Amino acid sequence: GESVGLHLPTLSVQEGDNSIINCAYSNSASDYFIWYKQESGKGPQFIIDIRSNMDKRQGQRVTVLLNKTVKHLSLQIAATQPGDSAVYFCAEVRITSGTYKYIFGTGTRLKVLA
Amino acid sequence: ETGVTQSPTHLIKTRGQQVTLRCSSQSGHNTVSWYQQALGQGPQFIFQYYREEENGRGNFPPRFSGLQFPNYSSELNVNALELDDSALYLCASSSGQGGADTQYFGPGTRLTVL
Repeated sequence: GESVGLHLPTLSVQEGDNSIINCAYSNSASDYFIWYKQESGKGPQFIIDIRSNMDKRQGQRVTVLLNKTVKHLSLQIAATQPGDSAVYFCAEVRITSGTYKYIFGTGTRLKVLA
Repeated sequence: ETGVTQSPTHLIKTRGQQVTLRCSSQSGHNTVSWYQQALGQGPQFIFQYYREEENGRGNFPPRFSGLQFPNYSSELNVNALELDDSALYLCASSSGQGGADTQYFGPGTRLTVL
């Protein structure tokens, strides 16, 4: 079946430390993956994506790692800040009959402790 | 901000009623996707519109229907509302056929069915 899930529903991190948010997916036929950040009362905000033919991609303070062997995706946030507190979703993007279908996991809540 | 707007922000309806939600896509985007996000869950794909035609549908019953207009704005209509329809409804706009480029989300409409 289709599923994109997360290992940890809540992650508490001290301000300034690095955060690692994990995601497992079940379907190897996906085309790429996206990490979204959702703050309370807002829609999901694009953070970074990675194509299925890549292992690693870096952005500003964020790095996404893709391990296709174990169907695992992770988002690393360097020097975590209070503004990083939010729910983080990984989304698996699959092309089906010309439609780019996004399949979201249940999310991980990141709490940044002062 | 993404430039994707949704209205209304909040809505309260009773079981059996009908509701229409609206979405204005980001300038230059021709594809709108709608999602339902239940509390504590990730967004679930409802359907997608590309150039005024439905271009893919998730596992939602026919009482969920939609429209896309020539200016690429979109409506989501839900008939015969049920209690389980209470959720945050998100629209996301993108460019390229079938939403080939990254989807950018609006803030959502919070629907409560009593």
